Amino acid sequence: DGGITQSPKYLFRKEGQNVTLSCEQNLNHDAMYWYRQDPGQGLRLIYYSQIVNDFQKGDIAEGYSVSREKKESFPLTVTSAQKNPTAFYLCASRRDSYGYTFGSGTRLTVV
Amino acid sequence: GENVEQHPSTLSVQEGDSAVIKCTYSDSASNYFPWYKQELGKGPQLIIDIRSNVGEKKDQRIAVTLNKTAKHFSLHITETQPEDSAVYFCAATYTGNQFYFGTGTSLTVIP
Repeated sequence: DGGITQSPKYLFRKEGQNVTLSCEQNLNHDAMYWYRQDPGQGLRLIYYSQIVNDFQKGDIAEGYSVSREKKESFPLTVTSAQKNPTAFYLCASRRDSYGYTFGSGTRLTVV
Repeated sequence: GENVEQHPSTLSVQEGDSAVIKCTYSDSASNYFPWYKQELGKGPQLIIDIRSNVGEKKDQRIAVTLNKTAKHFSLHITETQPEDSAVYFCAATYTGNQFYFGTGTSLTVIP
């Protein structure tokens, strides 16, 4: 079945450490997105990519970085510059003018 | 950019009653309005969507209405069941643009 796979499901980060969240899709979608979700808040856009080797900052890109070397993959790195990284991270992809398909999320906790 | 407001933030209904969630948007260029259901610890799933060329769409117990003039759209769930309990998000976008999400409505269906 086609879909989006995020891994790991749970991730723990120490202070000052960079961590990378994986997002892989086999839907042949061109566009991919990363959102952050905090309790009681909506989804805030971190980065998005409309095509391979190209990506744009979203509303809260500071402290994060991404790459898009393959159509299927859009990893997100949470750097030590992100001072409050504890959150639920969602990856999504989209085909043309249709709705997003979301992954199951990664819950990141700073320890 | 687009601004989407969603009300109410929490909603409790008795099983079998109807639930209505309302969203307003600001950008008259928006032409696609999806609704997502998110269960605890999972990624959002698309449940219904509507495009700006129609005023209403129905899928079994779920319906969405759109008033382009007033720039608002609503989700209607009839004959609610306990499994409808979740957080619901609305969104607005236009072709080629990112999605703008509401802040979510936590729906509880009381058996």
